[in-house]
Amino acid sequence: GEDVEQSLFLSVREGDSSVINCTYTDSSSTYLYWYKQEPGAGLQLLTYIFSNMDMKQDQRLTVLLNKKDKHLSLRIADTQTGDSAIYFCAEGHGNTPLVFGKGTRLSVIA
Amino acid sequence: EPEVTQTPSHQVTQMGQEVILRCVPISNHLYFYWYRQILGQKVEFLVSFYNNEISEKSEIFDDQFSVERPDGSNFTLKIRSTKLEDSAMYFCASSLNEQFFGPGTRLTVL
Repeated sequence: GEDVEQSLFLSVREGDSSVINCTYTDSSSTYLYWYKQEPGAGLQLLTYIFSNMDMKQDQRLTVLLNKKDKHLSLRIADTQTGDSAIYFCAEGHGNTPLVFGKGTRLSVIA
Repeated sequence: EPEVTQTPSHQVTQMGQEVILRCVPISNHLYFYWYRQILGQKVEFLVSFYNNEISEKSEIFDDQFSVERPDGSNFTLKIRSTKLEDSAMYFCASSLNEQFFGPGTRLTVL
């Protein structure tokens, strides 16, 4: 079945860039998402990219998609302590169920 | 900005009891979903709902679960006879295209 893999932990210093990586198996995915989950909170949609795009930038966030390798990354520029959270990669086809990765816990060290 | 809301935020129940989790999706959305996240694990799809019927469901969504859209705004998930292993965070989501999630209901079954 479809699967999404992410590394579990990432630690960065405040002000540095963070890069969170994700791989997925479903080559027919049309939407690839990044969600942020703060402790005890819900899933906040950060950004998403259509499968026909290579890159999407939104303020401090840059999403890169390599369809050939089925690799997605989220870069957070100038990482702040408020960025500490779990980041979930998810893939889907529009209005179909999303398949989530296990999440990457980002720790930002002041 | 419109958002998905869920009530209650936390529900504690005894094993074998029925629970109803409530969601108010974003008003112009047409697709509705329930997902769950057992502590420390992936977000897992339960069921999707479109045009007043279930469009897709996972293996987790057995006969103990049911969904309803009793009026034009609410979307509910009922668990008929809760088990210990139903303890999880339950997320509602809605979409026109990209999926927006509610803050979740933490269900604790004792």
